[in-house]
Amino acid sequence: GAGVSQSPSNKVTEKGKDVELRCDPISGHTALYWYRQRLGQGLEFLIYFQGNSAPDKSGLPSDRFSAERTGESVSTLTIQRTQQEDSAVYLCASSFESRGEQFFGPGTRLTVL
Amino acid sequence: GENVEQHPSTLSVQEGDSAVIKCTYSDSASNYFPWYKQELGKRPQLIIDIRSNVGEKKDQRIAVTLNKTAKHFSLHITETQPEDSAVYFCAASKGNTPLVFGKGTRLSVIA
Repeated sequence: GAGVSQSPSNKVTEKGKDVELRCDPISGHTALYWYRQRLGQGLEFLIYFQGNSAPDKSGLPSDRFSAERTGESVSTLTIQRTQQEDSAVYLCASSFESRGEQFFGPGTRLTVL
Repeated sequence: GENVEQHPSTLSVQEGDSAVIKCTYSDSASNYFPWYKQELGKRPQLIIDIRSNVGEKKDQRIAVTLNKTAKHFSLHITETQPEDSAVYFCAASKGNTPLVFGKGTRLSVIA
């Protein structure tokens, strides 16, 4: 079956522009996560959706970052007024339950010039 | 909140030798401890995980041990091969909370 997919795979933008990143989780997975991975660094938690519960936004680094999820399917991560320090790979993951194995997507490499 | 420390940050071993990566966690309520392998330019993939009701789990050349009292867990890779070269991440979570990852260990297996 299809795994987690993300689009675009690469995004180059100018400082100050808004970007929208998309994640399609594995069908039937109730939990969805967004992480940020800077070059050569670990995975930094951003936001977590579980079913119809209110999302856990505790990892969002600033109010320029927001995310939405439609039911138990697609999620979009929006970064407004991008800054150079936003340059990173943004990884999405999903799991069948919140305690289950997380399956990662291929990531979106964001470059802010 | 939870804090996960991972050591070493880099590790080089000769092919055929064993590799050990160690992690400590701060929240005694954490009960799920996965290990992910990330090859260069690829997505992280789960290689083994352990829950707090067991102390050790093994899958072929890979094993994980958990010491709840000391709040640390370790990844053991035996008979290392060049294809084991990657960055390895440990993580911890409790109940329905997101994973908190360590900063990763870059393992190099020298042929």
